[in-house]
Amino acid sequence: AQSVTQLDSQVPVFEEAPVELRCNYSSSVSVYLFWYVQYPNQGLQLLLKYLSGSTLVKGINGFEAEFNKSQTSFHLRKPSVHISDTAEYFCAVTRNTDKLIFGTGTRLQVFP
Amino acid sequence: DTGVSQDPRHKITKRGQNVTFRCDPISEHNRLYWYRQTLGQGPEFLTYFQNEAQLEKSRLLSDRFSAERPKGSFSTLEIQRTEQGDSAMYLCASSLNAGGYNEQFFGPGTRLTVL
Repeated sequence: AQSVTQLDSQVPVFEEAPVELRCNYSSSVSVYLFWYVQYPNQGLQLLLKYLSGSTLVKGINGFEAEFNKSQTSFHLRKPSVHISDTAEYFCAVTRNTDKLIFGTGTRLQVFP
Repeated sequence: DTGVSQDPRHKITKRGQNVTFRCDPISEHNRLYWYRQTLGQGPEFLTYFQNEAQLEKSRLLSDRFSAERPKGSFSTLEIQRTEQGDSAMYLCASSLNAGGYNEQFFGPGTRLTVL
C-alpha cells in the first residue's frame, strides 16, 4: 500500500522569501506523485505532477518539485512566495492513476 | 467546459436524517471519484465509477453510504441516518480514462455539518 507523509503541518514565511514544503512517500512499486493546492472553501487544483522522466518538475504559479527516488521524497519549492500563495497544499500519490492517496496537508501562511 | 460541479455547496442536517449530494462531472469524462475530507486532514478516497460501473469502494464507505451513477453522467452520494462523525467536506472529481495517466479534476465540494 502507498502512504504519504507531509512533515510540516504549517509553514509560516514572509512574502518574497523562498519556501520548501516537504513530502515523503512509501510504496513498494513505482508511483505517480502530485502536489495540489486548496484555497479556502474551494476544491483542489493540480499544481504539478511527476509521472516519469526528468526528476525536476515545474508547475503552475512558479512552483517546482524534485522527485528523489532514493530518499522517497517529492518536496515542493518556490523561490519567492506571494501573499496569494497562502493556502493548503497536499501531496498525493497513486500507483495506477486510479484513487489518489493524500497527505494530511501543509498550511502555507505568507506574511507581508 | 464548465468544470466539475457539486450541489449543494453546504448542507446542515440533524443527526439521523438522510442526505444526498450530487456531482456533475466534466462532460465526456468517463471516471468519477468521491473523496471525503475532514477538518485538518487530506482527502480520503471513498469510491469511483467508470461510466456507470462502481469499480472500487473504500472501507470508509459504510453500509449507510451509497453512491450511484445510473447513466454514466452525474453521480449521487447518499448518507442514511447521518452521524456527527459524517461532518466533512465531500469532494467529487472526474477524469477521462483513455489509457495511461488521467488527471483528476476536482469540484468545489459539499460541506456537510451534522448537528
